[in-house]
Amino acid sequence: GESVGLHLPTLSVQEGDNSIINCAYSNSASDYFIWYKQESGKGPQFIIDIRSNMDKRQGQRVTVLLNKTVKHLSLQIAATQPGDSAVYFCAEKVTGFQKLVFGTGTRLLVSP
Amino acid sequence: NAGVMQNPRHLVRRRGQEARLRCSPMKGHSHVYWYRQLPEEGLKFMVYLQKENIIDESGMPKERFSAEFPKEGPSILRIQQVVRGDSAAYFCASSIRQGEGQETQYFGPGTRLLVL
Repeated sequence: GESVGLHLPTLSVQEGDNSIINCAYSNSASDYFIWYKQESGKGPQFIIDIRSNMDKRQGQRVTVLLNKTVKHLSLQIAATQPGDSAVYFCAEKVTGFQKLVFGTGTRLLVSP
Repeated sequence: NAGVMQNPRHLVRRRGQEARLRCSPMKGHSHVYWYRQLPEEGLKFMVYLQKENIIDESGMPKERFSAEFPKEGPSILRIQQVVRGDSAAYFCASSIRQGEGQETQYFGPGTRLLVL
């Protein structure tokens, strides 16, 4: 159930599965990338970030991979739990600017 | 340590009225950002401020919208003469400062504006 694209696709997984959420970013001048989780009615919650001089970074149950050659970012969630159900956004920051440019997100649905 | 605070959480206005949205950044954060989100869409940057200065307002509509971050008190996003198209969720974020390791933006819970 892997999804691609930036038009709010939905990824449905079973509890305990690993999830992979993909994002294609637009600007080769971007030097900083963040994944946010947004639950219904709440603000975006920081998950993990990565700078352009890295290609992988790991957190607790999450891993972000960056492929600058094809301008692709992915978020891997290990042992997905029902509490992981939310919309996930990637965001990029271009060198010299402070604003974040967000993708349209991926909805993750985790079934017990 | 309190996070980014926004109020009100919900705001209902009639067309032509003014909307004022407030944002208090996290303690120790001196950089504030405002974003707008329409349903089923990602967040769109509006404006970036430091204390008493607007640094980047490239995402702000040219008319009716203004923002400030005074020396004392919260940041304010002001929308004059609201129209139905202004209905959206408005999020504020803050960061410690610019520069590697300091630039992570943390978001508040948002203000949902409904224009009748």
